[in-house]
Amino acid sequence: NAGVTQTPKFQVLKTGQSMTLQCAQDMNHEYMSWYRQDPGMGLRLIHYSVGAGITDQGEVPNGYNVSRSTTEDFPLRLLSAAPSQTSVYFCASSPRDRGYGEQYFGPGTRLTVT
Amino acid sequence: AQSVTQLGSHVSVSEGALVLLRCNYSSSVPPYLFWYVQYPNQGLQLLLKYTSAATLVKGINGFEAEFKKSETSFHLTKPSAHMSDAAEYFCAVSVPLANTGNQFYFGTGTSLTVIP
Repeated sequence: NAGVTQTPKFQVLKTGQSMTLQCAQDMNHEYMSWYRQDPGMGLRLIHYSVGAGITDQGEVPNGYNVSRSTTEDFPLRLLSAAPSQTSVYFCASSPRDRGYGEQYFGPGTRLTVT
Repeated sequence: AQSVTQLGSHVSVSEGALVLLRCNYSSSVPPYLFWYVQYPNQGLQLLLKYTSAATLVKGINGFEAEFKKSETSFHLTKPSAHMSDAAEYFCAVSVPLANTGNQFYFGTGTSLTVIP
C-alpha cells in the first residue's frame, strides 16, 4: 500500500491564482480530512469527508473548496490564493469502523503565496 | 467543547536524560488520545494511542504515556533521550461524531531538542 499520497510536494502561487492540491489513499478509508499547519498553531482542520459525496467544514474553511467523488480521492481547491494561505497542508485518512479514529497522514504540500 | 493543551512549545533535554512532554485535554465525552511525531519536512506518524484499555500505553521508539482521568492529562515520557528523538510532537484527542466517524483536535505542538 502507498498509504496517503499528496501532490505536489511544493508549490508557489501568485495572489489570486487558483490551484488544486491532490490527495489520494489506497486503504479504503471512509474518513478523509485536510489540515493546515502554521508555526505555533498546530494543525487546524480545513474540511473533512465521512464518505464519497459527503463533505463538511472544519475550523478554517474560508477560501477552500473540497469534493469527494470517490472513496480514494479528496482534492482541496484554493479558489483565489492569498498570502495568508501560505502554509503546509496535510491530508489524512482513517477507517470509520475502527471507532477511535486513528489518522494516517500524507507527506504534506508546502504552499507559498506571493 | 474539546481541546488539547501542550505545555511548553520548546523542550530541551540532554542526550540520555528523561523526556517529559505534557498534554492536558478537555473533553465532554470519554476521549481517545494520541501522540504523533513529526520529523523535519515530513508528515505526522503515530507514536501511541489510548483507547480506554490500559492507562499506561507503550508506543514506538521507547515512548510511553499515561492516561490520568483525574488530572485530564496524557503526558509523554521516555526514560533516556536519543539524538534521533529531536522532532515536533503533537498530542491529539479524538471525539466520536454521531454516525459520522471521529473528529480530531490537535495541540499546538512541542518541539523537542536533544543536546549531545
